[in-house]
This record gives sequence, structure tokens and C-alpha cells, in this order.
Amino acid sequence: RKEVEQDPGPFNVPEGATVAFNCTYSNSASQSFFWYRQDCRKEPKLLMSVYSSGNEDGRFTAQLNRASQYISLLIRDSKLSDSATYLCVVNIKRGGQFYFGTGTSLTVIP
Amino acid sequence: EAQVTQNPRYLITVTGKKLTVTCSQNMNHEYMSWYRQDPGLGLRQIYYSMNVEVTDKGDVPEGYKVSRKEKRNFPLILESPSPNQTSLYFCASSLYRDSYEQYFGPGTRLTVT
Repeated sequence: RKEVEQDPGPFNVPEGATVAFNCTYSNSASQSFFWYRQDCRKEPKLLMSVYSSGNEDGRFTAQLNRASQYISLLIRDSKLSDSATYLCVVNIKRGGQFYFGTGTSLTVIP
Repeated sequence: EAQVTQNPRYLITVTGKKLTVTCSQNMNHEYMSWYRQDPGLGLRQIYYSMNVEVTDKGDVPEGYKVSRKEKRNFPLILESPSPNQTSLYFCASSLYRDSYEQYFGPGTRLTVT
């Protein structure tokens, strides 16, 4: 069983739409959670960390549900520049091992 | 400029010929890590290092070696590369003490024939 699972998509949405991605993790001892963004096989870049209380950064909202072991990312008012692959990342041991989901592809259409 | 650098960026080699991919960061980060990315499998961690002289296996360490003799450098060594190690490799670093935000290098595309 994979440590982290994501719906690969692709998600094709019009500009201005709201889109949500979910990610499930299998290890209940998971400590830290992140969303990264990756453009066209370039290096991943941190989009946001995910906190237990949920957190928001502009048009992006991340939430964590420890009981159900999933994290989510909501993008409001989608822009063309949001087109990318979004990676869910889980840290099992503090400072040690990281597990990446396979990524969810988003294309925002004009 | 704060960055993680990797060399080479592209490499085509033959089975069994030892190679080293270098990784260097100029941010005084304690934590460094190597990943490989393959279609359908995502990024998988190969090795990581919490600090100088401290390294540990990730999810897919077989066929790889690492060393951390200096804080800024974390080379990845393939003693005897095989075709199944053809992949896109990323090095990453993070401050560790305060943050697990990982900064990634630009990637090394390795082809083993």
C-alpha cells in the first residue's frame, strides 16, 4: 500500500473556477504535511504547509483531517498560471523520511 | 542567491560505469536529501542526511551511496549504474531546525544504457 495517494487527474477547469484536490496517507504516525507545486518536470516548490487548524494563503486553502487521514487543497478563482502538478507530501519521522504522492495535474483553461 | 545546485544536469552513461552526481547548497541547511522521479511513481526518497556525517536510507536506497563530509555538499554515487536507475534525480535541502520546507535543485536527468 502506498504511503500517500492522490487522484492523478487531470483536472481541466475554466479560469475563475474553484478546484479541490484530496490526498490520503496511510501512516497514522505522520507528522508534517505539505503541498508542493511542480511545473513541467522542473523542481518541486513548496506551495504551503498544512496545519491541523487549516491554513489559508490568498486563493489557496489547505486542510488536514487526522481522523480520516487526508489532506486537501482548495484553489479559488483559478488562474492560467495555476496550471501545474500538485504534489502532496507527508513527513513520517521528524526531519527524516518524506513521502510524495504521484501528483495531481491541473490545467486551467482560458 | 540562495540555491541548491546539481551537476551534471544531463548525463548519458553505460551500465557499470561509476558516476557521481554532485549537490551543493549555500543556505547553511542541516538537512539534505536525494529523490528520484519516475512516471507513475512520483518522487521517491533515496537517502537523506540530518547533518554532517549523519545519513540514513530513504525508500529506495538500493544501488546508491551518499556521503556528507561537509554541510553544503551531499553527493549521490552510483557505483555500478544499471538501466533501471534511468530517472530524473532531485537533490533538496531544508533548514530542519525551524522548517521542513525543502528547496530543490534543478534536477539531473540520467540515462543508463
